[in-house]
Amino acid sequence: DTGVSQNPRHKITKRGQNVTFRCDPISEHNRLYWYRQTLGQGPEFLTYFQNEAQLEKSRLLSDRFSAERPKGSFSTLEIQRTEQGDSAMYLCASRRSGRESSGYTFGSGTRLTVV
Amino acid sequence: GQQLNQSPQSMFIQEGEDVSMNCTSSSIFNTWLWYKQDPGEGPVLLIALYKAGELTSNGRLTAQFGITRKDSFLNISASIPSDVGIYFCAGQNYGGSQGNLIFGKGTKLSVKP
Repeated sequence: DTGVSQNPRHKITKRGQNVTFRCDPISEHNRLYWYRQTLGQGPEFLTYFQNEAQLEKSRLLSDRFSAERPKGSFSTLEIQRTEQGDSAMYLCASRRSGRESSGYTFGSGTRLTVV
Repeated sequence: GQQLNQSPQSMFIQEGEDVSMNCTSSSIFNTWLWYKQDPGEGPVLLIALYKAGELTSNGRLTAQFGITRKDSFLNISASIPSDVGIYFCAGQNYGGSQGNLIFGKGTKLSVKP
């Protein structure tokens, strides 16, 4: 297993367009998380899945954002009608559930630039 | 909500020097994690701390989980150029938010050879 894989690595889009990112977690990890990171800040939580169920969404996840994990494996994050404020690094992380398995493994991220 | 204060914001040191950075929280955490992030990459886990008072090492890195559960520090001994990067602390709780990480704003480390 090569870790958490995210595609694409970079995305430049025009304001108002829709974009979709993909995350492939570590195969035995049942939890998958999406974070957003802007310049000079730490990652901020967006949403997470346990298997295929989306269990929590943060206030940062506006109605234009939707995430899915249809078969409990890979996940997609879609942003509709992108705005310049959506420009950020979108990070995916996965882990096994359980108290002592807090070691989130992050992917390399997708850097979104909205022009 | 919970917030983490990480300091210093940046450090510029000579190769071979020791480094110390810390994180404080307005509320308690059950787990503290320390990550390093290189430009254009995702954070990589360095050390995980699960118990108050715990002191854990990983090579030249040492981290401690504060007794009050509201703080943690990371030390790097004998820094080398590849230590350059941004170091993040992250706190985690169980219960309501199922283990979501709260990150500090990072400490940017620069090392002069």
